[in-house]
Amino acid sequence: DAGVIQSPRHEVTEMGQEVTLRCKPISGHDYLFWYRQTMMRGLELLIYFNNNVPIDDSGMPEDRFSAKMPNASFSTLKIQPSEPRDSAVYFCASSRDRDTGELFFGEGSRLTVL
Amino acid sequence: GNSVTQMEGPVTLSEEAFLTINCTYTATGYPSLFWYVQYPGEGLQLLLKATKADDKGSNKGFEATYRKETTSFHLEKGSVQVSDSAVYFCALSDPGNTPLVFGKGTRLSVIA
Repeated sequence: DAGVIQSPRHEVTEMGQEVTLRCKPISGHDYLFWYRQTMMRGLELLIYFNNNVPIDDSGMPEDRFSAKMPNASFSTLKIQPSEPRDSAVYFCASSRDRDTGELFFGEGSRLTVL
Repeated sequence: GNSVTQMEGPVTLSEEAFLTINCTYTATGYPSLFWYVQYPGEGLQLLLKATKADDKGSNKGFEATYRKETTSFHLEKGSVQVSDSAVYFCALSDPGNTPLVFGKGTRLSVIA
């Protein structure tokens, strides 16, 4: 069974450009989570979805960030415009249940904004 | 609110040494506790878990015991290997409240 698939693995862009990160969760998982990992702040939950509906986006840092889940097999995280402080590794994770704590993570998208 | 505090790294050990990574938590309810591991260039993966007080989670030679009296879930391994070099994250899930909350991670380097 395929795991969580993220793309791109690496993205280098210039300040002001739009960035779109993509995620395909594991089939049958009803929950999808977007996390951001930096050295300074560790792993931060940005937003999570249940059955394609955003449940909690309180971790999204500002209006430049948006996330969508148009169907059960695809989600995007968009940053527009991007800034150097957005440089981080962005992880997508999915799970069958929010409360079991058993998340399955993708390999991450490393974003560098110059 | 819920939070997890784990010892800061990095931790550097020689092969076959004993490992302890401390983790304490604060929770409003009755959380489940987890250790996740992140190998270089990969996403996090579940290492072990415990769902109630006094439970012991174990996997790949690692173990951790859920201690409610000390609000702790320390990770231990009796003899580390070079292949254990990774970042270890303690986490808690408080059912009915926020989803998984992670500590900041502890980097372990094991040298031959």
